[in-house]
Amino acid sequence: QVQLQESGPGLVKPSQTLSLTCTVSGGSITSGSFYWSWLRLPAGKGLEWIGRIYTSGDTNYNPSLKSPVTISIDTSKNEFYVNLRSVTAADTAVYYCARGAVAGTYWYFDLWGRGTLVTVSS
Amino acid sequence: QSALTQPASVSGSPGQSITISCTGTSSDVGGYNFVSWYQHHPGKAPKLMIYDVSHRPSGVSNRFSGSKSGNTASLTISGLQAEDEADYHCASYTSSRILDVFGTGTKVTVL
Repeated sequence: QVQLQESGPGLVKPSQTLSLTCTVSGGSITSGSFYWSWLRLPAGKGLEWIGRIYTSGDTNYNPSLKSPVTISIDTSKNEFYVNLRSVTAADTAVYYCARGAVAGTYWYFDLWGRGTLVTVSS
Repeated sequence: QSALTQPASVSGSPGQSITISCTGTSSDVGGYNFVSWYQHHPGKAPKLMIYDVSHRPSGVSNRFSGSKSGNTASLTISGLQAEDEADYHCASYTSSRILDVFGTGTKVTVL
């Protein structure tokens, strides 16, 4: 079955760029009608949606994020990525990649990775 | 756009029923039937439990049910089991530019 796996540095210095990869295995990232998202869970807080990308390359981002973000996709590698620039301690969180799919009448996150902890600290 | 409000923790004994609330506004929970619930055992991948307020994906136990009244959605777990001990997050479409807003999360403890 399709699985998602996040990877990337666990420690990033303030003002630098946080870069993560989500590898999709067990199926093609281009098959079906899905979008691919990044979310994060800061300690003691709720989940926060970061943004999403369609296989067409179209993107949507959470406008409330303080750090500029870019999500990209490489269909040949079955991967998608997130870059968060000029990070601060507030960007410390467990980062998740997830797949969005239509269920009923709207899009929901039907498949998630296990998450990867990223700490922003000097 | 503020997060949806959930109680920090809810507990119950095995076999009991518990209900988790998720309060938003007319711009999200109250305005649309696009509410979902996710179960998350720490260290594991979150799992979609309820979508469209009250629908269960295939494979999710019918002990889990969802409902909505006004700006508050609810998740009820009946016949509580030890394996239900986890964090639960609600989410809703929002007419703000954020598109999807999540709740503050609830830790369910089985006593």
